Formats: sequence, structure tokens, C-alpha cells
Amino acid sequence: KAGVTQTPRYLIKTRGQQVTLSCSPISGHRSVSWYQQTPGQGLQFLFEYFSETQRNKGNFPGRFSGRQFSNSRSEMNVSTLELGDSALYLCASSLIRDRNNEQFFGPGTRLTVL
Amino acid sequence: AQRVTQPEKLLSVFKGAPVELKCNYSYSGSPELFWYVQYSRQRLQLLLRHISRESIKGFTADLNKGETSFHLKKPFAQEEDSAMYYCALVGDGGSQGNLIFGKGTKLSVKP
Repeated sequence: KAGVTQTPRYLIKTRGQQVTLSCSPISGHRSVSWYQQTPGQGLQFLFEYFSETQRNKGNFPGRFSGRQFSNSRSEMNVSTLELGDSALYLCASSLIRDRNNEQFFGPGTRLTVL
Repeated sequence: AQRVTQPEKLLSVFKGAPVELKCNYSYSGSPELFWYVQYSRQRLQLLLRHISRESIKGFTADLNKGETSFHLKKPFAQEEDSAMYYCALVGDGGSQGNLIFGKGTKLSVKP
């Protein structure tokens, strides 16, 4: 079956703009998580959604937000972009939200902020 | 605070040599730990988890609660093992959807 898909794959924005990234989980998966990956900080957890509700949030400013739709697709939004937001944003999905269900990662969206 | 530390950014070995990628964690409860791997131009994927106690691609990892470590080992490295390896811990959220990652170790296996 198809894996996790993320769109767009690459994005260039300027400071102050906002951006929306999209994630389509594996069919049947209901839990979606987002991570930011940078060379300096590595992989950092952003948020986790399950059944259209945010279940956990990482230590990121309020400029980072997300949502999940009834078909489990998820979007994340970053407003008032800063240079430091340049990163690879990874989405992961799992069947349900618990310790035993493996996450499957997407290819990521590479965001460059100029 | 919950934390995962991978002290080596880069580990370079020759083919056939043993490999040990170090991982130390800080967690107040009963930890659940994983190793993820990312091969060149591929997605991040689960390699193994401590609770399953299995060997994947010849790799094993044992949880040592006394030393708060979860080192990844392989007796004989292969060139195809070259990749980025990340140790991860289930965070307070209690699901695999909320993982705390180490900064990763790049393993390079030379012929």
C-alpha cells in the first residue's frame, strides 16, 4: 500500500510569510505526528494528532500550528516565518495512538526561508 | 527531563569489524526505546525496539536500566549498514507518535 505522502516536497519562502504543509497518512492510519529536523537540533517533535484532536505538543512557539481532518489527513502551518524555521518537516502516521503501533515516516517537506 | 544522547556524530569502521552505536537516555519512568535508521535517499524507518528483543539485519540492542543505555550492536559490519542511526524514546505522551530523538550517529562502513 502507498506510504505516507507529503506535499509539497520543497518550498522556498521569505521571512514574515506563512506556509502550510500537508501530510496524507497511510490508508487506515488515524494518528499523525509532525517533526522538525535541522542539522543543529536534530529531530524534534512538533505535535501529534488523533481523531482530529491534538494529543501532544512539543516545545515550539505558537506560530506553529496544525490540524487533522476527518479523513486523517493533516496540515501544519507556520506563520510569520523566521530564518530559523528552515528545516525538513517530517510527518509520520500510525494505525492508532499507543506505544505498540509503529510509526511510518514520510519523505519530508524541505522548507527554506530566505 | 527526558533526553536521549548519542555521543558520536560519526562512526567509521571497516567491513567485518564489530559496531557499537551508543545511546544514553534520561527518563524518570519505565522507558520505551527504539532505534531508527535512515539510509541514503530513503525515509526514516524503524530498525528495532527494545521490547521486542529481536535481531534485525544482525543488529541487537539491550536496555540497561542501571546505566540508562540502549547501545546498538552488530558483530560484523557490512557496507550496506552505512546510514544515519537515531535512538529514540517514547515521550510523556505515551505513544510512538511522540518520540524524543537523539541527534543521530552517522555510520560509515568502509570496504
